[in-house]
Amino acid sequence: AQSVTQLDSQVPVFEEAPVELRCNYSSSVSVYLFWYVQYPNQGLQLLLKYLSGSTLVESINGFEAEFNKSQTSFHLRKPSVHISDTAEYFCAVSESGTYKYIFGTGTRLKVLA
Amino acid sequence: NAGVTQTPKFQVLKTGQSMTLQCAQDMNHEYMSWYRQDPGMGLRLIHYSVGAGITDQGEVPNGYNVSRSTTEDFPLRLLSAAPSQTSVYFCASSYSARGTHEQYFGPGTRLTVT
Repeated sequence: AQSVTQLDSQVPVFEEAPVELRCNYSSSVSVYLFWYVQYPNQGLQLLLKYLSGSTLVESINGFEAEFNKSQTSFHLRKPSVHISDTAEYFCAVSESGTYKYIFGTGTRLKVLA
Repeated sequence: NAGVTQTPKFQVLKTGQSMTLQCAQDMNHEYMSWYRQDPGMGLRLIHYSVGAGITDQGEVPNGYNVSRSTTEDFPLRLLSAAPSQTSVYFCASSYSARGTHEQYFGPGTRLTVT
């Protein structure tokens, strides 16, 4: 069955340090992969997505994620975080041919001054 | 465009009461869905719709009903509220039902059942 695992529930990191938020999925078919960000008391917003093609995808605010099919992972990285990146990040998967998105449990990123 | 709107923002219900959470989108999106968000559990899909007149169950459908009579609206009905339904509810829409397009989320409804 399709599932998404985000192993880290909370990640504290100092400002300007690099960060990696991990996401692993299980699926037996082709998948589409997404990262969403949720700022306090708001809905989710798309950060980046992988549909096909280049396995490295980037967002406009410096985040990137790499699709690794052999390891069934889609980890999110940023080389230097800002206080404003403090938020909860959700990895999501949809399987080709289905209508359902499955979300991970989320990782709360806290950037410290 | 207003995007995805949800009403109300907050609601307190007593056990056994019923209510409808409203969701509307003005982007002519084909796909709409309802999620509940609980601490440590991420977002769980309640019901979804791939077009007007077509709905299906998600991961946690018990205690909830939906209908989709128009492309724009996708209300979620709680039939007889229970404390276990205390949660934050998000409605989302997507251009395509094929899973290749991002979902746009509403601001959420925070529901407390006492």
